[in-house]
Amino acid sequence: DTGVSQNPRHKITKRGQNVTFRCDPISEHNRLYWYRQTLGQGPEFLTYFQNEAQLEKSRLLSDRFSAERPKGSFSTLEIQRTEQGDSAMYLCASSSQGPIYGYTFGSGTRLTVV
Amino acid sequence: DQQVKQNSPSLSVQEGRISILNCDYTNSMFDYFLWYKKYPAEGPTFLISISSIKDKNEDGRFTVFLNKSAKHLSLHIVPSQPGDSAVYFCAASVAGSARQLTFGSGTQLTVLP
Repeated sequence: DTGVSQNPRHKITKRGQNVTFRCDPISEHNRLYWYRQTLGQGPEFLTYFQNEAQLEKSRLLSDRFSAERPKGSFSTLEIQRTEQGDSAMYLCASSSQGPIYGYTFGSGTRLTVV
Repeated sequence: DQQVKQNSPSLSVQEGRISILNCDYTNSMFDYFLWYKKYPAEGPTFLISISSIKDKNEDGRFTVFLNKSAKHLSLHIVPSQPGDSAVYFCAASVAGSARQLTFGSGTQLTVLP
């Protein structure tokens, strides 16, 4: 068990470019979550997968954002036509089904849009 | 509309003393509450949780208290250690919500040696 892995750790991009982040969850976890954290705030929920199905999406997830989890394994989060307001830490977390006792977060991908 | 609030951005405590971190919530549908600890450049790490059917949960040096009537919970760390210095987030979830978490804005705890 190597924990939740996120790549890249840091990404600097120019406004208007597309970016894609990857998350590899803990292998036996079938639930996967994406959160976004801006400076001075707590993480905010973006979207949730159970296996390969995307079951919930936050209103924060505009049309420029898309997430996938093919075959219920790793997940990708793509942001198209990035804006400066997209600059944030993007966190992935995974959990197993059942009573919640806290899911496992990755170290995050820090996105800076210049 | 912040449903989970941590009104103290920072707290400093002497090593060996008690640290008390507070959290208030507004959504009465929340039925599960958690505390996470976060070090710089790392993701949040789960610390302790409590169900709404309980009013106290202990795990070693960490105790969480829940006051449902006041919509308030607190995390007590006794005794505090320098390694406890981190940002602490309170989070809450609603049954049937796929267990998405609503986080507070965090409290930076500094334990002074």
